[in-house]
Amino acid sequence: DVKVTQSSRYLVKRTGEKVFLECVQDMDHENMFWYRQDPGLGLRLIYFSYDVKMKEKGDIPEGYSVSREKKERFSLILESASTNQTSMYLCASSLLPGESNQPQHFGDGTRLSIL
Amino acid sequence: QQQVKQSPQSLIVQKGGISIINCAYENTAFDYFPWYQQFPGKGPALLIAIRPDVSEKKEGRFTISFNKSAKQFSLHIMDSQPGDSATYFCASRSYNQGGKLIFGQGTELSVKP
Repeated sequence: DVKVTQSSRYLVKRTGEKVFLECVQDMDHENMFWYRQDPGLGLRLIYFSYDVKMKEKGDIPEGYSVSREKKERFSLILESASTNQTSMYLCASSLLPGESNQPQHFGDGTRLSIL
Repeated sequence: QQQVKQSPQSLIVQKGGISIINCAYENTAFDYFPWYQQFPGKGPALLIAIRPDVSEKKEGRFTISFNKSAKQFSLHIMDSQPGDSATYFCASRSYNQGGKLIFGQGTELSVKP
């Protein structure tokens, strides 16, 4: 079974802090993704990565950055946390699409509160 | 911006009834349409998916109906059970954007005993 592990289930930080959210997958997937989930807005893509040291902006990248130094690990960084970044953050991974449709496998999320 | 519009936002169904969730998309380059199921405290998990070259796909009690000309697709849950109570997300993927998915807004389904 594919396992995507997010380092924290709950996190409370203060405005202006630099926040790191970590995600590790154990299935040698090329693709990794960071989403935020808010009621009524669904899942919105923040950043994704096709390979080590490679990143692409998603739909809402402002205020975030990412790091992928190893294939299995994808980090989301809030450079200077703000209260509007209070949300549920979900990490996902998948194989490259290729000829078959590869599903995204999600972690169980980190609920981040910025005070 | 590419969008996938999902309705209803919430749905209450009696046990044994049929649950229907609808999605509409705009981008004709979308080539893969998955549905994800999310239970409280868990991440979304793939439930069922369809490609646009078929009009219907069935897996057990779950069926996707796809209307390419109308750019709409829907999830039908037959004989709904309390254990189906969860949040459901439709999604769409464009073949020229790798594995990137565009998600709908989500539907919170509650099946009453």
